[in-house]
Amino acid sequence: GENVEQHPSTLSVQEGDSAVIKCTYSDSASNYFPWYKQELGKRPQLIIDIRSNVGEKKDQRIAVTLNKTAKHFSLHITETQPEDSAVYFCAGEHAGKSTFGDGTTLTVKP
Amino acid sequence: SAVISQKPSRDICQRGTSLTIQCQVDSQVTMMFWYRQQPGQSLTLIATANQGSEATYESGFVIDKFPISRPNLTFSTLTVSNMSPEDSSIYLCSVVQGGRTGELFFGEGSRLTVL
Repeated sequence: GENVEQHPSTLSVQEGDSAVIKCTYSDSASNYFPWYKQELGKRPQLIIDIRSNVGEKKDQRIAVTLNKTAKHFSLHITETQPEDSAVYFCAGEHAGKSTFGDGTTLTVKP
Repeated sequence: SAVISQKPSRDICQRGTSLTIQCQVDSQVTMMFWYRQQPGQSLTLIATANQGSEATYESGFVIDKFPISRPNLTFSTLTVSNMSPEDSSIYLCSVVQGGRTGELFFGEGSRLTVL
């Protein structure tokens, strides 16, 4: 089955800096790669996603890049704000089933 | 986006008892899943709830421990049977709206504490 590894497990940045979280996956058949943000005590919510026929996608301060050959994808957050502090999960999906990374706790210090 | 109602939102249970969690979606969906999130951990897929047939369980999860029902395209239940403290966790219902692949929408979760 799919195995998704996520790094780093914790990340602390100053407000205004950029944050990068990286994931690798094992199943070359996976074709959908979402990123979810989970605030403390809340449910995970999608912030951005990318499909395997696309190399990069951007939505305001958030971008995701995908390298299918190397089987890795990354989340980039620019101009971080304190409200970006949360746990971020990457996932790889194949045949409707999503496998999640272990999560990255992002702390943005004001 | 799909609106998912889960109940109970939290419960404290005694060892050896069973608890059923309900998940109601405001629209018909094909794909419905049950995840477990242990404290400070990631989300682990328990099973895919299949409408009208037995659920599809992931490795490490069995029907006797986690029986699942899905009588229609908007509703599912997960039972945690013969609970032990190791079952203390958040259980989340999730759906894919409008197809078989894509964004997962999650319920608010059911936080179970087993004493």
